[in-house]
Amino acid sequence: RKEVEQDPGPFNVPEGATVAFNCTYSNSASQSFFWYRQDCRKEPKLLMSVYSSGNEDGRFTAQLNRASQYISLLIRDSKLSDSATYLCVVSPSPFGNEKLTFGTGTRLTIIP
Amino acid sequence: GAVVSQHPSRVICKSGTSVKIECRSLDFQATTMFWYRQFPKKSLMLMATSNEGSKATYEQGVEKDKFLINHASLTLSTLTVTSAHPEDSSFYICSAPTDSRAAQYFGPGTRLLVL
Repeated sequence: RKEVEQDPGPFNVPEGATVAFNCTYSNSASQSFFWYRQDCRKEPKLLMSVYSSGNEDGRFTAQLNRASQYISLLIRDSKLSDSATYLCVVSPSPFGNEKLTFGTGTRLTIIP
Repeated sequence: GAVVSQHPSRVICKSGTSVKIECRSLDFQATTMFWYRQFPKKSLMLMATSNEGSKATYEQGVEKDKFLINHASLTLSTLTVTSAHPEDSSFYICSAPTDSRAAQYFGPGTRLLVL
């Protein structure tokens, strides 16, 4: 079983729609959780950290369920610029400054 | 702006040659940097943890004699792929946390093609 599992997609979503991604992780000792986005042939860029209380950054909302070892990302009012691969990432350290384990990513394409 | 830089961005070399990739932290000191590798349509996989002033820590299955890591200063780590072969062709990315309580930022990556 992979340490971090994501639906690879692709998700093809019309502009303006809401889309949700899910992720599960196997290591219950994981301490910090993140969503990164990766554009084609580019490096991953931090989108947001994920907290148990849930957190929101503009159109993006992330949620963590430690009991179920489940992480989610919701994108509202999707834009063409949201097209990318979204990576679910976990770390054994509280701050993510140690080894990161990546999911394979969920590919999102926003359709005009 | 970028907080981590990498050089070169792209390398094409013949089989058997060695390739050095540099990773620099910009405007901050990084006692630890990380080297990842990503094959097409696959996830990033950690290769090794680069520690300033001490030996790197390699992940299981990564040959330390093939992938030489040197963390010579608080702003520079280098990865040398020795005697590169076509199967080493990949996207090599480094990362560093900006401080001990921060998430990691990634360099722009180095695309290596071994012919």
